[in-house]
Amino acid sequence: DAGVTQSPTHLIKTRGQQVTLRCSPKSGHDTVSWYQQALGQGPQFIFQYYEEEERQRGNFPDRFSGHQFPNYSSELNVNALLLGDSALYLCASHEWTHEGETQYFGPGTRLLVL
Amino acid sequence: QKEVEQDPGPLSVPEGAIVSLNCTYSNSAFQYFMWYRQYSRKGPELLMYTYSSGNKEDGRFTAQVDKSSKYISLFIRDSQPSDSATYLCAMVGIQGAQKLVFGQGTRLTINP
Repeated sequence: DAGVTQSPTHLIKTRGQQVTLRCSPKSGHDTVSWYQQALGQGPQFIFQYYEEEERQRGNFPDRFSGHQFPNYSSELNVNALLLGDSALYLCASHEWTHEGETQYFGPGTRLLVL
Repeated sequence: QKEVEQDPGPLSVPEGAIVSLNCTYSNSAFQYFMWYRQYSRKGPELLMYTYSSGNKEDGRFTAQVDKSSKYISLFIRDSQPSDSATYLCAMVGIQGAQKLVFGQGTRLTINP
């Protein structure tokens, strides 16, 4: 069973450009969250998708948008890139067990904005 | 003040030592607590998951939660060079696909 996958692994963009990152959750997981991790920091929650709807959103501007497809995969779009958007972007898929809910992370997409 | 505080280190210990990693938090609504391990340039990997106060052991790892003090710990026994990584604490309130709130992460190096 493949875990959470993300593409691309690395990306270099210039200021003002737009970027799309992709995520496929673990098989059977229908909820996806996106996080931004700046260098030397913990991940910060961007937003979460369930049943193709944005269910929660963190403190990120509208330049950050997303989408979830019927197969539960998801995209993160960032418009008008700023230097400060350089970070590791992580996708997590949610699993519920008898112990509760856990989130499993993909390897991330490292974005560099020049 | 951050919701979750974690000493970023770096922390360097000899192989075989017992390692203690800690986080404090301010939000009393947090009920579920996790520890993730993150190797350089990789995504976080779930290590331990605990609910409410108490201890949980898994092999060389023990997670401890003290909700009265708003303090959580991760202990690593018989530490190995392969344990060298950044350790992130994370927590969440009521279950229901809520967002995780992370600490800054502690960078740990185990020296052979």
